[in-house]
Amino acid sequence: DSGVTQTPKHLITATGQRVTLRCSPRSGDLSVYWYQQSLDQGLQFLIQYYNGEERAKGNILERFSAQQFPDLHSELNLSSLELGDSALYFCASSVGGGVYGYTFGSGTRLTVV
Amino acid sequence: GQSLEQPSEVTAVEGAIVQINCTYQTSGFYGLSWYQQHDGGAPTFLSYNALDGLEETGRFSSFLSRSDSYGYLLLQELQMKDSASYFCAVRPSSRPEYGNKLVFGAGTILRVKS
Repeated sequence: DSGVTQTPKHLITATGQRVTLRCSPRSGDLSVYWYQQSLDQGLQFLIQYYNGEERAKGNILERFSAQQFPDLHSELNLSSLELGDSALYFCASSVGGGVYGYTFGSGTRLTVV
Repeated sequence: GQSLEQPSEVTAVEGAIVQINCTYQTSGFYGLSWYQQHDGGAPTFLSYNALDGLEETGRFSSFLSRSDSYGYLLLQELQMKDSASYFCAVRPSSRPEYGNKLVFGAGTILRVKS
């Protein structure tokens, strides 16, 4: 157990639907990062939050949004889902800048049918 | 933009030594990290180099040459459990508007044969 908790582990939903992925960072970590990993692909950065504020954005689609709450947990909202959104979604957390390493959760596997 | 290149696949035998290379082109550079990911699992942090030279952690070592924009991960005494994907990652900038994101390479699949 890495200390980063992601729920749900698996999600199957239909095209056009909306889902919410949840992440609880490791205790004491203020930064939360979201990454998308499609089949046999690398990790694509989506968005970063630090202590409740958005700090960095990657190539995140307009249909996707995220937030970090006062208790530091984060949610990633995916709407108007398309088949191509099927992927593993990872959350990671770090103390401060995370230069020395991120701790990843076990991921949410999203399947859009 | 940022780009990292690493071989797509490497195969080696148990007990051998293998080196996974990574070259990067980024608009800024604040260190090279390596992560291991077993099939479908969570990436786990292996090592970090901020300065030139070799960092050793048990059977794993990582090297960085900033002048060459190049680094490598060296795995010694390979074990079957080392079969996994290995990703290099760069933090391109410390500028606040860029946050602290890591940019990952596409990953190298390491297959260890008996």
